[in-house]
Amino acid sequence: EVQLVESGGGLVQPGGSLRLSCAASGFTFSSYWMSWVRQAPGKGLEWVANIKQDGSEKYYVDSVKGRFTISRDNAKNSLYLQMNSLRAEDTAVYYCARGLPGYSSGWFDYWGQGTLVTVSS
Amino acid sequence: VIWMTQSPSLLSASTGDRVTISCRMSQGISSYLAWYQQKPGKAPELLIYAASTLQSGVPSRFSGSGSGTDFTLTISCLQSEDFATYYCQQYYSFPPTFGGGTKVEIK
Repeated sequence: EVQLVESGGGLVQPGGSLRLSCAASGFTFSSYWMSWVRQAPGKGLEWVANIKQDGSEKYYVDSVKGRFTISRDNAKNSLYLQMNSLRAEDTAVYYCARGLPGYSSGWFDYWGQGTLVTVSS
Repeated sequence: VIWMTQSPSLLSASTGDRVTISCRMSQGISSYLAWYQQKPGKAPELLIYAASTLQSGVPSRFSGSGSGTDFTLTISCLQSEDFATYYCQQYYSFPPTFGGGTKVEIK
C-alpha cells in the first residue's frame, strides 16, 4: 500500500524557517517525481515544487523561488521542503504528492494527509 | 501560465442526480487534464487523468470528457459519498495549475 506521511508543520513567525518532511512507503520511491502542493485555509490547491527521481532537476512556483528548497533522500525514502523567509501568505496545509515516473509534469496519484504551516506573529 | 475556470463553484444536488462540472482553459491543453475529489479535512484523491481515463478503484459513475479548452466531469448517479469538492488540474504546461474547485452539496 502506498503511503505518504508528512511532518514538520507548525506555527512560525514571519521571516522564520521550517522544514517539512514526507516519509514514503509501499512503492519504489526513487522511481518517481515527487511534488509539494499546498492549500491555504478555505482555498484551492496550489502546486509548489517538484523534484526528479535523482534530485538533479527541481522546479518551483514563482512565489516561492529563492525561499523554498525541495530535496529528497532516496536511501531514506524521504522528501523534504525547506522553507525560509516565511510569509503570512505561505500559511497552508502542505501535501506531499507522487507524480509520474517518466515526466516532470503530470497528475498526482497519491497524496499524504498534509501538514499545517501557520505563519503568524 | 494557463488560467482555468471551473464552474459552477457551488452545485446543489440530490442523491441520484446526474451532475456535470465544467473546466475551461485559457488555451488548448490537448487532453492533459486530471480531476480530483476532496472531502473536508482530507487530501485530494485522483479520479481521472488524461481527461477521460478512470483511475483504478474509482467507481464507474464518474466520467470525464473533453479536449483542447473545454472539459467536463460527470457523475451519472450521485451517491451520498460523492458530496465533496472537485478540482481540475492541467499538466500541459509549467507550472501545473488547478481550477478553483466545485463544491457539490446536498440540496
